[in-house]
Amino acid sequence: NAGVTQTPKFQVLKTGQSMTLQCAQDMNHEYMSWYRQDPGMGLRLIHYSVGAGITDQGEVPNGYNVSRSTTEDFPLRLLSAAPSQTSVYFCASSYGRTETQYFGPGTRLLVL
Amino acid sequence: GEDVEQSLFLSVREGDSSVINCTYTDSSSTYLYWYKQEPGAGLQLLTYIFSNMDMKQDQRLTVLLNKKDKHLSLRIADTQTGDSAIYFCAEWGYGNKLVFGAGTILRVKS
Repeated sequence: NAGVTQTPKFQVLKTGQSMTLQCAQDMNHEYMSWYRQDPGMGLRLIHYSVGAGITDQGEVPNGYNVSRSTTEDFPLRLLSAAPSQTSVYFCASSYGRTETQYFGPGTRLLVL
Repeated sequence: GEDVEQSLFLSVREGDSSVINCTYTDSSSTYLYWYKQEPGAGLQLLTYIFSNMDMKQDQRLTVLLNKKDKHLSLRIADTQTGDSAIYFCAEWGYGNKLVFGAGTILRVKS
């Protein structure tokens, strides 16, 4: 199993540009989530999904969209990037809500 | 809302024990976790404890849970330089989400 994979590893955007951060898992996990990590603030939940076709907002959803058309994929979209979205983004998955979460390697995003 | 607090920094000598502390606010938490993050890497689950347990031991790691005080600790015995990392405490809070503390930087001096 590849586990949880994220692409790209690193991205630089200009303010106002859009992009999609990809996340995929091959463990048949139902639960997937996106976090952002900022210095001194730990990880904060952006959006999550409890299964294909179901998504919900986390703690900091503004400026981000998600969709879950398949069990394997959970892309995160930035429609109009802002410097405040400069962060490290982690995708995670698990069998169920309270099961162990497996994290991807992260995407480092810089918005100029 | 839920809140998880940790001290920001801990420095120990190689071979000593490290104790990283965490407090949480959500009394309905079912699982509490400790994750480790090495520089430039993602988070790796170290261990977890179910809320009806007081203690869990896993090789060099000991987790203690005090539900009355909502206090969780991670003890690393015989700390090695490879244990230098950021350690995150996390709880499953109300509403399908994992709430993380800000992380404790552990520095191990040789």
